[in-house]
Amino acid sequence: EPEVTQTPSHQVTQMGQEVILRCVPISNHLYFYWYRQILGQKVEFLVSFYNNEISEKSEIFDDQFSVERPDGSNFTLKIRSTKLEDSAMYFCASRGTAQGLTGYTFGSGTRLTVV
Amino acid sequence: AQTVTQSQPEMSVQEAETVTLSCTYDTSESDYYLFWYKQPPSRQMILVIRQEAYKQQNATENRFSVNFQKAAKSFSLKISDSQLGDAAMYFCAYSGFNKFYFGSGTKLNVKP
Repeated sequence: EPEVTQTPSHQVTQMGQEVILRCVPISNHLYFYWYRQILGQKVEFLVSFYNNEISEKSEIFDDQFSVERPDGSNFTLKIRSTKLEDSAMYFCASRGTAQGLTGYTFGSGTRLTVV
Repeated sequence: AQTVTQSQPEMSVQEAETVTLSCTYDTSESDYYLFWYKQPPSRQMILVIRQEAYKQQNATENRFSVNFQKAAKSFSLKISDSQLGDAAMYFCAYSGFNKFYFGSGTKLNVKP
């Protein structure tokens, strides 16, 4: 079964450093998403991406965040200057163009720890 | 705005027994999808079951079934013959064809 692959599974970074979280969506999918889950809290939508541009973003997705699809296969989330409160699990998701949400698939997540 | 509410932060069930997790949601849309996800300690999101709002028949997946009450905006998950491996956080989620809205989760404990 096709999977959404996220790397690394766990990243530790120092406050103020830039991090890039990587995702490889399912190959024929065209809609891409990032979500965040702070430990002990609900999963929250960050951003959606379609046709090489952001289609929607939440209040959380401020100027510190950016997304990119640099090479047609990877989908990245960059945090420019990490803060302690950016420590969370980050999930990538993708879906195809079929009607409905069949095939909407989450990756296994990247745990980001900011120290 | 769409919201998803899980009013049970934690529940316990005896192995082999049945447990029901509650979820309510709020939306003004007529067509949407509802989901239950399981999150074990690894924190991976595992799809348990999905319900299309236009379908009146409740979804079932082996030991997992839902009670979908569209008018009441209620979407509960029933786990039959509970197993130790069912212990995890369970999140209810709503989607209107794009982004997901998640509830705050219910931690399910399974007692041997």
